Amino acid sequence: GAGVSQSPSNKVTEKGKDVELRCDPISGHTALYWYRQRLGQGLEFLIYFQGNSAPDKSGLPSDRFSAERTGESVSTLTIQRTQQEDSAVYLCASSLVSGTSSYEQYFGPGTRLTVT
Amino acid sequence: QQPVQSPQAVILREGEDAVINCSSSKALYSVHWYRQKHGEAPVFLMILLKGGEQKGHEKISASFNEKKQQSSLYLTASQLSYSGTYFCGTQSTDSWGKLQFGAGTQVVVTP
Repeated sequence: GAGVSQSPSNKVTEKGKDVELRCDPISGHTALYWYRQRLGQGLEFLIYFQGNSAPDKSGLPSDRFSAERTGESVSTLTIQRTQQEDSAVYLCASSLVSGTSSYEQYFGPGTRLTVT
Repeated sequence: QQPVQSPQAVILREGEDAVINCSSSKALYSVHWYRQKHGEAPVFLMILLKGGEQKGHEKISASFNEKKQQSSLYLTASQLSYSGTYFCGTQSTDSWGKLQFGAGTQVVVTP
């Protein structure tokens, strides 16, 4: 079946503009995760969804970052008033229910965001 | 809190063995291992759960010391395809669902 998809694959934006990044998880995966990966660095947790609720938003760097999810489907990560330090690859992952056990996460190809 | 991985990097010749370690200061429910090749998304290798259950690829070997909150990934008889950056992700007992990833261990396998 189809894997996790993300769009756009690349986004170049000017400092101060808003951007929206989209993630389509694997069908049936109720858990969805957003991570940020700066060049040469590890995966930084941003937020995760269980269904359309977000039990843990602790990783969002500032109030310029927000995310929402429609049901158990598409999620959108929005960055308002982008700054140069927001430049990174934003990865989305999905997994089966994470409330009672731990399941492998399937990652999308990422969106490379460059803020000029 | 981010787990600590060691070493930061390792260079191997084909056929050699290596161990990658992951250590957390928090009580853990599970440890995940992923491998990321340059320019690609991370790929799942293994999950080790509190209580001893393991889920993952048969050719990958790992351990989880629940008392010490440490995990090790064993690369045995390494192949060129093992090259990449290995990340451990830890799920603590007080933060369900959230994975905190280490900074990664870069592995280079040479012919």
